[in-house]
Amino acid sequence: TQLLEQSPQFLSIQEGENLTVYCNSSSVFSSLQWYRQEPGEGPVLLVTVVTGGEVKKLKRLTFQFGDARKDSSLHITAAQPGDTGLYLCAGEYGTDSWGKLQFGAGTQVVVTP
Amino acid sequence: DTGVSQDPRHKITKRGQNVTFRCDPISEHNRLYWYRQTLGQGPEFLTYFQNEAQLEKSRLLSDRFSAERPKGSFSTLEIQRTEQGDSAMYLCASSPTLRWGGGETQYFGPGTRLLVL
Repeated sequence: TQLLEQSPQFLSIQEGENLTVYCNSSSVFSSLQWYRQEPGEGPVLLVTVVTGGEVKKLKRLTFQFGDARKDSSLHITAAQPGDTGLYLCAGEYGTDSWGKLQFGAGTQVVVTP
Repeated sequence: DTGVSQDPRHKITKRGQNVTFRCDPISEHNRLYWYRQTLGQGPEFLTYFQNEAQLEKSRLLSDRFSAERPKGSFSTLEIQRTEQGDSAMYLCASSPTLRWGGGETQYFGPGTRLLVL
């Protein structure tokens, strides 16, 4: 059972458009990570956020961590076909869970030329 | 390539057979994790090791599953008497050490895809 909810489950957009993916939990995260996974491969870490209200940018990707550390968003500006993939958020909940990531079900993003 | 490696990449077996997967973490990484991912879901935590010690096992890990990391380097995951419900991608990840406050980076291998017929 996943403790994190990601939305939407699937997103199909044209190249050049913007998109936002959301990750929500009823519990407070001690840290939250975003991964991207391509078919047949393991997830690859994009970013880690630990401080409420934190905003991190990675080229065209902007990550926000909610003030209450219960939610996060990933925004992609001017999406490119290379951004296609499964975007996963993963959180840690408290000291007993450090290192044990709880993943959301993921958002499948498809960017068409 | 010095990333996490897993072997085999694919395994097809018949129900009731035993299978074993191997994970080679990044050199000198103390922590090693096993996850299982089914179609349309994110990875689910199974178990993890700090060096050779297995510190926790998820309730998802039935008695048919066993994992070892005998010398604190590579790890094996064995599934006995496989069932069709065991069909999934089995992912291994490693990290250097536990970072106070969490947020450590886990480096994932490419996974072993298991199909039980």
